[in-house]
Amino acid sequence: NAGVTQTPKFRILKIGQSMTLQCAQDMNHNYMYWYRQDPGMGLKLIYYSVGAGITDKGEVPNGYNVSRSTTEDFPLRLELAAPSQTSVYFCASSSYAGTSGGDTQYFGPGTRLTVL
Amino acid sequence: GESVGLHLPTLSVQEGDNSIINCAYSNSASDYFIWYKQESGKGPQFIIDIRSNMDKRQGQRVTVLLNKTVKHLSLQIAATQPGDSAVYFCAEKAAGNKLTFGGGTRVLVKP
Repeated sequence: NAGVTQTPKFRILKIGQSMTLQCAQDMNHNYMYWYRQDPGMGLKLIYYSVGAGITDKGEVPNGYNVSRSTTEDFPLRLELAAPSQTSVYFCASSSYAGTSGGDTQYFGPGTRLTVL
Repeated sequence: GESVGLHLPTLSVQEGDNSIINCAYSNSASDYFIWYKQESGKGPQFIIDIRSNMDKRQGQRVTVLLNKTVKHLSLQIAATQPGDSAVYFCAEKAAGNKLTFGGGTRVLVKP
């Protein structure tokens, strides 16, 4: 298994541009998450999904959109990039909440985004 | 809101010594806790977890202790090695499957 994969690894955007950060997992996990991590800080939840077709906002959803058309993929969309969105973005997945080991979230390698 | 925090932002430890990383949490309803290790340029990596019905759990060279009375979580690393240098995050889970992360502690291992 590749686990959780993310593309691209790095990206520089100009203010107002849009882009999609890709995330895929091959572990057949129901739950998927997007976090952002600012320098020297912890992770903040942007959006999450409990299954295909179901998404919900996290702590910092403004400026982002998500979709979950399949179990495997959970893309994150930035419509109008702003300098405040400069961060490292991590995607994660977990199986079923409450089951043995189901709460553990497995993370991808991250996408480093700079908005100039 | 409820939050998870850490007492020490940076911990310097001599190679071979034991490390202790502390974490305070405020949500008494949290029933699951995880420690993650994050190396530079990489995503967080699962180290060890513990459920609220336990007070201690051991892994390979790591032990997590949970004190629900004072809402305190700690990670002990035995015989710290250079490869243990990283940022360590604690996280807690209450309702649903959303984790709340602390701010992180950087561990620096001195040779």
